[in-house]
Amino acid sequence: EAQVTQNPRYLITVTGKKLTVTCSQNMNHEYMSWYRQDPGLGLRQIYYSMNVEVTDKGDVPEGYKVSRKEKRNFPLILESPSPNQTSLYFCASSSGVNSYEQYFGPGTRLTVT
Amino acid sequence: KNEVEQSPQNLTAQEGEFITINCSYSVGISALHWLQQHPGGGIVSLFMLSSGKKKHGRLIATINIQEKHSSLHITASHPRDSAVYICAVPGADGLTFGKGTHLIIQP
Repeated sequence: EAQVTQNPRYLITVTGKKLTVTCSQNMNHEYMSWYRQDPGLGLRQIYYSMNVEVTDKGDVPEGYKVSRKEKRNFPLILESPSPNQTSLYFCASSSGVNSYEQYFGPGTRLTVT
Repeated sequence: KNEVEQSPQNLTAQEGEFITINCSYSVGISALHWLQQHPGGGIVSLFMLSSGKKKHGRLIATINIQEKHSSLHITASHPRDSAVYICAVPGADGLTFGKGTHLIIQP
């Protein structure tokens, strides 16, 4: 089954404690992206990757890092989380940056206290 | 950067009603996506369209590229259609999203 998986699905953490949200897709997609969703603001792009070892900033990259060492994985790293990073996070993948099918992960709800 | 506006932000309707959600954008595009976000949070693609109209079951999406406007219609609405509907337009680095329309269909 074609899918994008994210882990963990829910996370409560404290300010400053480094965390990683994993994202994996099984469709051999080249394009992957991270978004955060906040009430009243909608989905905003954090980082994206066109292919292995190719990553770039989206609209709201501050406080986040990513890596793309393998095609299937695109982890999101918060080196020092802060309360303003409390949000719902989605990973997505597709065969190309503007392809017809966009596949989204189930979401990770992060709370930073 | 493309500006994407959706209306209405919230919509409550009775079962069976015809629903229309609108999306407009500021910069010309080649295609537009409509997405559905379930109450549980998951997001699925409904349509990608570049011209005219597409139909899938009770869902119909239309786009007018010249007017930079798209609409999503739901015929014979049902409580299971309750969700957030999001339009998105492609750009050089990915999608830009509208803020979504929260639809509630009451029995």
